[in-house]
Amino acid sequence: AAGVIQSPRHLIKEKRETATLKCYPIPRHDTVYWYQQGPGQDPQFLISFYEKMQSDKGSIPDRFSAQQFSDYHSELNMSSLELGDSALYFCASSLVASTRGGAGGSYEQYFGPGTRLTVT
Amino acid sequence: QKEVEQDPGPLSVPEGAIVSLNCTYSNSAFQYFMWYRQYSRKGPELLMYTYSSGNKEDGRFTAQVDKSSKYISLFIRDSQPSDSATYLCAMSRSPYTGRRALTFGSGTRLQVQP
Repeated sequence: AAGVIQSPRHLIKEKRETATLKCYPIPRHDTVYWYQQGPGQDPQFLISFYEKMQSDKGSIPDRFSAQQFSDYHSELNMSSLELGDSALYFCASSLVASTRGGAGGSYEQYFGPGTRLTVT
Repeated sequence: QKEVEQDPGPLSVPEGAIVSLNCTYSNSAFQYFMWYRQYSRKGPELLMYTYSSGNKEDGRFTAQVDKSSKYISLFIRDSQPSDSATYLCAMSRSPYTGRRALTFGSGTRLQVQP
């Protein structure tokens, strides 16, 4: 079965540079979530998109932005990188059926393999 | 204090043992509960998903939820060396689209000895 695809898998950047991470959800999934996992830590929610609109926002720094495109893939843009941004960045996708109030569909989130970002 | 508490381990058991992994949570708004398995440097893999209090079984895995005690468990029967990984509990608040972000426990490292 198709899984979530993330690219690149590894990225090395210097401080103050910018980075763009890409996520391709499981086909037919309409919701994308971004999580950041620091070394030895649990994943922390950053931001999510449903049907190309931002649906929820977590602890995402103002230096980061994201969007979901018409083909449902998503990109996380990170600017003015800091050493503390070094982490694994995961994208997850789920299928949230379009029901009134958005209360339908599936709650399971399927994670991609992650992008390991190293800031030097 | 974290909303979701999980014993980080490591937990070391012999092959064939029954493993019990647990999480407690403080926010009664959590309604949906998941268990993920994560191998080193890999993405979390969904193992079990539950909503209501009670038990849910899938092969060697049983997930248990006690909402009154704010306590969830994952049991692994006949544990195998390939089960060695970090197990993360995760939960979300609401069925509504905008509030399904997962809050994770810190993960329990499990080592199954051959």
